[in-house]
Amino acid sequence: EIVLTQSPATLSLSPGERATLSCRASRSVSSYLAWYQQKPGQAPRLLIYDASNRVTDTPARFSGSGSGTDFTLTISSLEPEDFAVYYCQQRSDWPPLTFGGGTKVEIK
Amino acid sequence: EVELVDSGGDLVQPGESLRLSCEASGFNFKTYAMNWVRQAPGKGLEWVAGVGGGGGNTYYADSVKGRFVISRDNSKNTLYLQMNSLRAEDTAVYYCAKARGGPGGRDYMDVWGKGTTVTVSS
Repeated sequence: EIVLTQSPATLSLSPGERATLSCRASRSVSSYLAWYQQKPGQAPRLLIYDASNRVTDTPARFSGSGSGTDFTLTISSLEPEDFAVYYCQQRSDWPPLTFGGGTKVEIK
Repeated sequence: EVELVDSGGDLVQPGESLRLSCEASGFNFKTYAMNWVRQAPGKGLEWVAGVGGGGGNTYYADSVKGRFVISRDNSKNTLYLQMNSLRAEDTAVYYCAKARGGPGGRDYMDVWGKGTTVTVSS
C-alpha cells in the first residue's frame, strides 16, 4: 500500500498570502496524484488531477506540481473561500486507493 | 446536472447489517467506475470499495474485505454498499463517488454525494 504523508498538518495564513502544501508518497506514484478540497460539512471536491491538471472549475490561483514521490499544491493568493482541508490521493497502485492525512489551511 | 444522492445511513448495533444506496443522474452511469469513501468523525478520507462500470470487477480496502459488498444496478443507475458484521470503527460518513475517467477503477473521483452517516454503537 502506498502511504501519502501530508505536511504541515495545519497552515495558518492570512487572506492574500501564498500557501504551499506538501504531499510525499512512500514510493513513486509517477504523476498519478490528485488534490481535493473539503470544507466543513461538505463532500470533498476534486481540484487537480495527474499532479498538475486543474479541473475545469478550479481557479487559476491553484497549481499543482511534482512527480515521483514529492508533490506540492500552491495557492498563490488565498481567498476567504480557500480556507479548508486539502487532501492528496494517489491512483498509481491499487487497491487500495489512498489519501493523505490532510492539511488544514486556517485563517491566521 | 451530474448528481449523486447517497442514502441508507442509520444507527445500528455492532454485528448488524446495513445497505447504503447511491442514485446517480446526469451522466452515463454504466460507463464509469464508482467508489465508496468514508470519513470517521474528525478524521481523514478512507477509500472503502470500488466497482467497475460493468459491475463485474470489485475492489476493497483490507479493513472491510469479507464484510462489505459493493454492487451496482446499471438499469437503475444505482450503486450499493452492503455492510455486514458492522463494528464501532465503521462509524463514519460514507460518500459515494464517481470515477473521473471511465469504467476502470484505478482513478480519481470527480463527483461526490453529500454523504450518509453510519453509526455503530450499542
